[in-house]
Amino acid sequence: QTVVTQEPSLTVSPGGTVTLTCASSTGAVTSGYYPNWFQQKPGQAPRALIYSTSNKHSWTPARFSGSLLGGKAALTLSGVQPEDEAEYYCLLYYGGSWVFGGGTKLTVL
Amino acid sequence: QLQLQESGPGLVKPSETLSLTCTVSGGSISSSSYYWGWIRQPPGKGLEWIGSIYYSGSTYYNPSLKSRVTISVDTSKNQFSLKLSSVTAADTAVYYCARRVLYCSSTSCKNWFDPWGQGTLVTVSS
Repeated sequence: QTVVTQEPSLTVSPGGTVTLTCASSTGAVTSGYYPNWFQQKPGQAPRALIYSTSNKHSWTPARFSGSLLGGKAALTLSGVQPEDEAEYYCLLYYGGSWVFGGGTKLTVL
Repeated sequence: QLQLQESGPGLVKPSETLSLTCTVSGGSISSSSYYWGWIRQPPGKGLEWIGSIYYSGSTYYNPSLKSRVTISVDTSKNQFSLKLSSVTAADTAVYYCARRVLYCSSTSCKNWFDPWGQGTLVTVSS
């Protein structure tokens, strides 16, 4: 069974920079996994942030960026704002099916 | 703009079949670039991809749920549906429907998931 692993929790100070990662149990994550990143706040549906590794939606704030880093997909927030406190999920493609990571709870403190 | 709305019973008995429908408004379900999917989230837990369907009827399922899941599409009603059989308490979750867009240029393809429905809570209990 394929497992996608994210950091369970991270803490960052306002204005700081933080990188969330997304690893695959099958090996290095590449662009062919079409990494997607979502933000979810309590009581809300997930909101798409990044697609296919590094592409932003029109509503994605400029401080969010996606990349591949050390064999993992990565989501970097630069200049973190209090409203960025949320759960973040990555999603990877496995030839017909998709697997979510377990999520990273980001605390802005 | 395109909107998705889940509907169906909020309470299902153990061993019975969970049935949900997602209604697509503001656009056609029969686009060659779109796949229509279901995702769920147990209370306090993470997201799980259940499966998706193309308007032609081609389906893709989570291997761990494949034996119990059926996703179907009704293009005349602009709807797609989820059936999950033999449910247990572990199937209690918020169920979301979402569109996946597949865009391919001459050099690469891109996939994104938007929009999502607001989600509907289904509780499995006697």
